[in-house]
Amino acid sequence: GESVGLHLPTLSVQEGDNSIINCAYSNSASDYFIWYKQESGKGPQFIIDIRSNMDKRQGQRVTVLLNKTVKHLSLQIAATQPGDSAVYFCAETGDSGGSNYKLTFGKGTLLTVNP
Amino acid sequence: DAGVIQSPRHEVTEMGQEVTLRCKPISGHNSLFWYRQTMMRGLELLIYFNNNVPIDDSGMPEDRFSAKMPNASFSTLKIQPSEPRDSAVYFCASSFGHGYTFGSGTRLTVV
Repeated sequence: GESVGLHLPTLSVQEGDNSIINCAYSNSASDYFIWYKQESGKGPQFIIDIRSNMDKRQGQRVTVLLNKTVKHLSLQIAATQPGDSAVYFCAETGDSGGSNYKLTFGKGTLLTVNP
Repeated sequence: DAGVIQSPRHEVTEMGQEVTLRCKPISGHNSLFWYRQTMMRGLELLIYFNNNVPIDDSGMPEDRFSAKMPNASFSTLKIQPSEPRDSAVYFCASSFGHGYTFGSGTRLTVV
């Protein structure tokens, strides 16, 4: 039979525009969240993290926003560059008695930056 | 620091053969994780170790898969016998606390 691949959400932006990548999580007990970037042929690379006692955290050109009420996480990339083209994953740790170090990854979003 | 080192980068093997993937974590990291990535299922956690002890292997697909961590600087993931459906990219990651660092992965193709 025909195999069905994982259909990644995709986001296509023009170079210089701002990008917003969204992620929903389901575990209300999650207390730590990370965004990873994965370029083709490489392993996921840490971008930025945020703890559940924060709503916003800024890095260099990136900002993570956390809305615990609706269990939503977003990654904002300012002045997007062609080098930002990659798959972006959100990940969470659930506080479930000893599993604090086990990250659960979302499906990922493919960001394409057009020059 | 050289980061998390995985070998080999690519492995092509015939169905039924034994495959061993290797990982050297970052020195000082006390947790090690094996993930599998496919187009069908995304990133899946197979097993993780804390201080060289397997903590959670619930993600290991079946008995054909086994993982060891004989010391703090080395881990292996073995598949015996391998099957075509095992074809995937296998990542090793290590951490101290919450900050994971991933290796570059081993692309396994079973024909």
